Amino acid sequence: DAMVIQNPRYQVTQFGKPVTLSCSQTLNHNVMYWYQQKSSQAPKLLFHYYDKDFNNEADTPDNFQSRRPNTSFCFLDIRSPGLGDAAMYLCATSSRYSSTGGRETQYFGPGTRLLVL
Amino acid sequence: GDSVTQMEGPVTLSEEAFLTINCTYTATGYPSLFWYVQYPGEGLQLLLKATKADDKGSNKGFEATYRKETTSFHLEKGSVQVSDSAVYFCALSGGVDSGTYKYIFGTGTRLKVLA
Repeated sequence: DAMVIQNPRYQVTQFGKPVTLSCSQTLNHNVMYWYQQKSSQAPKLLFHYYDKDFNNEADTPDNFQSRRPNTSFCFLDIRSPGLGDAAMYLCATSSRYSSTGGRETQYFGPGTRLLVL
Repeated sequence: GDSVTQMEGPVTLSEEAFLTINCTYTATGYPSLFWYVQYPGEGLQLLLKATKADDKGSNKGFEATYRKETTSFHLEKGSVQVSDSAVYFCALSGGVDSGTYKYIFGTGTRLKVLA
């Protein structure tokens, strides 16, 4: 089945130690997103890519970076994790076009839960 | 700018009760509207969607109708089950102010169904 895959599902890191979360998709979608979610609150968009075009949200801390080496993969790098960065990180994809009209559905991966010690 | 407002939770119901979760939106243009569900420890899953006024989305017994006149997209289910316990998010995309590929989420409504 076509899907969005996130690895690992759980990640433990130390305060200040860089960490990378990965996301891959088999949907061949143009757009990939990274969200941060805390305690079942609304997902907070960090950034998104349209193909290789990177779009950063104005309030995303510089501590968060992203890479998209190809259509299928996208990475979230946290350069110096703080205790406040402990959260669920969700990757999502969407297509530019919807065959049925309107905005295409956004598909989410299962998330990576990050714990900072 | 574009926004989504959901009713506050948690909502606690007995099994087989009727469910309504209210969602209203503010957007210019012609956004698409979505309901997502999130089970504990998992990502969001699409529950249903509607892309234009008067469309009704439906899935797994859940329904929602895109009402442009009241800017609403309320989620309903006639008879809930314990397995419906989750957090439900209303979302929109495609409004003029939200940017081409952004999705705007409501704050989520936690539903707990008791046996």
